[in-house]
Amino acid sequence: DIQMTQSPSTLSASVGDRVTITCRASQSISSWLAWYQQKPGKAPKLLIYKASSLESGVPSRFSGSGSGTEFTLTISSLQPDDFATYYCQQYNSYWTFGPGTKVDIK
Amino acid sequence: EVQLVESGGGLVQPGGSLRLSCAASGFTFSSYWMHWVRQAPGKGLVWVSRINSDGSSTSYADSVKGRFTISRDNAKNTLYLQMNSLRAEDTAVYYCARDGVTVWWGQGTLVTVSS
Repeated sequence: DIQMTQSPSTLSASVGDRVTITCRASQSISSWLAWYQQKPGKAPKLLIYKASSLESGVPSRFSGSGSGTEFTLTISSLQPDDFATYYCQQYNSYWTFGPGTKVDIK
Repeated sequence: EVQLVESGGGLVQPGGSLRLSCAASGFTFSSYWMHWVRQAPGKGLVWVSRINSDGSSTSYADSVKGRFTISRDNAKNTLYLQMNSLRAEDTAVYYCARDGVTVWWGQGTLVTVSS
């Protein structure tokens, strides 16, 4: 089974900050990685698919990079609506999710 | 527009059963693999099960193997999850999701297992 890890688990930041979240896979998943944003009581919202492709309608301040086993999600300038929990997901073999990174207000 | 609408959640006693449904629209349902994912209160996302496009192949997480059964009716554009021998630790919001290069999610249905 492919295991996913994320760091950090919690991130305190201010509006306007550049934020980077890292996701690592226990074995190569090529580029089969997605990033989601989730707010309390809501379904996950797809931000990035295939590691670096921006989902339609998602602001361009979100970007993804990486391949193989190491991936990053970057928010170039954090906005008030971005305070949420972020999950990575591998879909190379079955599905596995990272444990999540909570982005809260500093 | 792709839509996935889950139903069937509710309160059930330990050892009981429940069947979840996921009504799909806006895409050719019979062409896509489908999944169930759950999220316990305050916890992360956990994959539960998947089924291939024609229903001939299924897979399960170890935590539900032998108790849950995934199925689909392509004529009705509907995905199912039959949950038996429910335990307190099965309490979660259950999401159905469509496989593909981009993953589509439903809004989820809450299952509470409690006496």
